[in-house]
Amino acid sequence: DAGVIQSPRHEVTEMGQEVTLRCKPISGHDYLFWYRQTMMRGLELLIYFNNNVPIDDSGMPEDRFSAKMPNASFSTLKIQPSEPRDSAVYFCASSPLVEQFFGPGTRLTVL
Amino acid sequence: KNEVEQSPQNLTAQEGEFITINCSYSVGISALHWLQQHPGGGIVSLFMLSSGKKKHGRLIATINIQEKHSSLHITASHPRDSAVYICAVDGSGNTGKLIFGQGTTLQVKP
Repeated sequence: DAGVIQSPRHEVTEMGQEVTLRCKPISGHDYLFWYRQTMMRGLELLIYFNNNVPIDDSGMPEDRFSAKMPNASFSTLKIQPSEPRDSAVYFCASSPLVEQFFGPGTRLTVL
Repeated sequence: KNEVEQSPQNLTAQEGEFITINCSYSVGISALHWLQQHPGGGIVSLFMLSSGKKKHGRLIATINIQEKHSSLHITASHPRDSAVYICAVDGSGNTGKLIFGQGTTLQVKP
């Protein structure tokens, strides 16, 4: 298996633009997690899904953030409109139950 | 106060030294995870434990549930062990909803 795949790996955009981050989890994993990592706050859980259903989105910072999982092999995290404070590394992870397998991350820079 | 606290925040060691990183938490947990993040940014799960001790190569992780404390030990440290080590707890019944420590940055010098 190729592991968790994220795209793009790097994204530079201007304030106000829409940003879409993509994740392909490991096949057979029922859980999918979106995390954000910044120097100030470290790793934070944004949202997680179980069997494509959002279970807990209490970490989503505000309405500008949305996440979807239309099927077991694909999830998106969208920011609209983006702001400079959204600059961070966004990780996707998948899990069969407990152990989590992380993707390489997407480094987002909002100018 | 953070629910998961790691110490030290930064650690510099000479190659071959025995290293200990500590993690204390204040919530009830179902499991504790140790993660490793290399300078390139990738995150790898090292251990998941709910009691006792686990060993993998030169790495040993222990947990004391009563004291709400875990340690990660590295024996015979090597420069390739240089990374950020992150402790995370799953307090919600093994759903994987993790609460993270701030990480310990380890540098091992040759």
